[in-house]
Amino acid sequence: KAGVTQTPRYLIKTRGQQVTLSCSPISGHRSVSWYQQTPGQGLQFLFEYFSETQRNKGNFPGRFSGRQFSNSRSEMNVSTLELGDSALYLCASSQLAGTHEQFFGPGTRLTVL
Amino acid sequence: DAKTTQPPSMDCAEGRAANLPCNHSTISGNEYVYWYRQIHSQGPQYIIHGLKNNETNEMASLIITEDRKSSTLILPHATLRDTAVYYCIVRVHGSGNTGKLIFGQGTTLQVKP
Repeated sequence: KAGVTQTPRYLIKTRGQQVTLSCSPISGHRSVSWYQQTPGQGLQFLFEYFSETQRNKGNFPGRFSGRQFSNSRSEMNVSTLELGDSALYLCASSQLAGTHEQFFGPGTRLTVL
Repeated sequence: DAKTTQPPSMDCAEGRAANLPCNHSTISGNEYVYWYRQIHSQGPQYIIHGLKNNETNEMASLIITEDRKSSTLILPHATLRDTAVYYCIVRVHGSGNTGKLIFGQGTTLQVKP
């Protein structure tokens, strides 16, 4: 069974631009969560989607948004990029919301110049 | 979710057991203990979880104290590939709960030859 895939793996943007990251969960998984990882703040929860509905949201500004499609694939969007948005963005999937094990993808490394 | 405390770093000799402690003194009765690890530049990987009883799987053992205020993750025969950051997470589990994980700073385990 294929793991969680994230595209693109690396991305370079400039301040003020917007970016869309994609996550394809493991086949059959319906819950997708997004995390941001930076050296200073560590791993921080962004939001979680289950059956196309946002179930939980972390403490991030409204510039960060996401959605989930009927096939469980998810995208997250960051508008008006800031230098501080440079981070590794990780996606995790699980079969049901709140199940014990979450499977993480390799992440998308975003650099904002 | 309860807060956890872990030592920032530990060393272990290759082939020896690695014992990683975690304090979660404010854990409540319906909160599980989870362990994940993150090898450099990869997404976190689930290791094991438990509620009250000790647990063992092919990767590790989890020992939870009787009062549940602390736990220890044991890697029985550490290899160089076990060098990673290990995260102890405490979270409520249930059908109504989200997949949100709150990561602390974790313990950086360095396995040395």
